[in-house]
Amino acid sequence: GAGVSQSPSNKVTEKGKDVELRCDPISGHTALYWYRQRLGQGLEFLIYFQGNSAPDKSGLPSDRFSAERTGESVSTLTIQRTQQEDSAVYLCASSLLDRGITGELFFGEGSRLTVL
Amino acid sequence: QKEVEQDPGPLSVPEGAIVSLNCTYSNSAFQYFMWYRQYSRKGPELLMYTYSSGNKEDGRFTAQVDKSSKYISLFIRDSQPSDSATYLCAMSVTSGTYKYIFGTGTRLKVLA
Repeated sequence: GAGVSQSPSNKVTEKGKDVELRCDPISGHTALYWYRQRLGQGLEFLIYFQGNSAPDKSGLPSDRFSAERTGESVSTLTIQRTQQEDSAVYLCASSLLDRGITGELFFGEGSRLTVL
Repeated sequence: QKEVEQDPGPLSVPEGAIVSLNCTYSNSAFQYFMWYRQYSRKGPELLMYTYSSGNKEDGRFTAQVDKSSKYISLFIRDSQPSDSATYLCAMSVTSGTYKYIFGTGTRLKVLA
């Protein structure tokens, strides 16, 4: 498809399990972002990729969170040993951020994570 | 104090009303301002962006920035039920950055 694709759309897991969330950005978009959206809160920046590199991981809440991007395309956000406070919608976005010019952020529909 | 404050609503208005959505911010270095619209269970989509102070109009939507008051607004004229969504403001220091600060979003309901 032409848009940002995320999977799974919904994930229910038990506390302590690991989860992987996947993002397929728009083809050709060099920049990829992960945000977390909790109920009643704004979008919380997690990590940003330019190509396959992550210049800024400062938003990752703890070392249980990690992310990678390969082929300047697909990205995976992994949460290890999930906790109930990890329950949120995880949004991926991509853009044409290049040479200091920011393109519009195109968001996927998100992965809704529920940790029981 | 959060860098960006936004009334969460919900805001309910009758069809045809003029809607005013607002954000305040504390960082005087912000110069690039955006409004995103997010329908239920969808990702946000860019509605409008403005750079520095002033007004920008696009159809029924007007974005206004008052840097002296650190206040931005989105006005929707002749509101429609299809405008029912959550509206998030976002801002950054420059346009050439990856780091945007988002407000919490205001949930708007336009009643037919």
